[in-house]
Amino acid sequence: DTGVSQNPRHKITKRGQNVTFRCDPISEHNRLYWYRQTLGQGPEFLTYFQNEAQLEKSRLLSDRFSAERPKGSFSTLEIQRTEQGDSAMYLCASSPGSIVGTEAFFGQGTRLTVV
Amino acid sequence: AQKVTQAQTEISVVEKEDVTLDCVYETRDTTYYLFWYKQPPSGELVFLIRRNSFDEQNEISGRYSWNFQKSTSSFNFTITASQVVDSAVYFCALSEASLGGNQFYFGTGTSLTVIP
Repeated sequence: DTGVSQNPRHKITKRGQNVTFRCDPISEHNRLYWYRQTLGQGPEFLTYFQNEAQLEKSRLLSDRFSAERPKGSFSTLEIQRTEQGDSAMYLCASSPGSIVGTEAFFGQGTRLTVV
Repeated sequence: AQKVTQAQTEISVVEKEDVTLDCVYETRDTTYYLFWYKQPPSGELVFLIRRNSFDEQNEISGRYSWNFQKSTSSFNFTITASQVVDSAVYFCALSEASLGGNQFYFGTGTSLTVIP
């Protein structure tokens, strides 16, 4: 399978716990994105990596959120001290990045439920 | 302000009917990119089409076609002879060259149901 892979697919956690999600982009895609999608809404941009460098962060990304892409391959998104408002689908996407404005390819997402 | 507006929340059509999904966008960039994505119940966003702001030529690809009009800031998407498998949520998205094309602004989506 050469698509974007996200793990886990589902996560249920208690309020106040920390959670970490993983994204494996399409091989050789140097751009990687994280988005958040709540019910009935379109995805909202969270952050963007060019290789291992985190180049853009949305104001939606509070201090409790941190993302890494240590070797320019897979990425992790960690949420500390989860709140009920963090319940959402977290989507990862990647793109080749060689041409501006190329489409992004999305994974199936990680659905987080904070109880 | 919402950069991408999809006014149609839900649409139902009978199989084999044509259906057009509307998208209106807002940007100050002269170079930008428009996309349509499909999100079936499985949840994965599937890329359908992409258009550059400097190319207003409308095209047909199989059962899909799109109408890009800069004068009205619209990027409408038509499915011809709809099929049950087309049932999904469809999202229109915009990215801007001034931001390196790295942020996609999505609309709120149009839920399409194709009735057999």
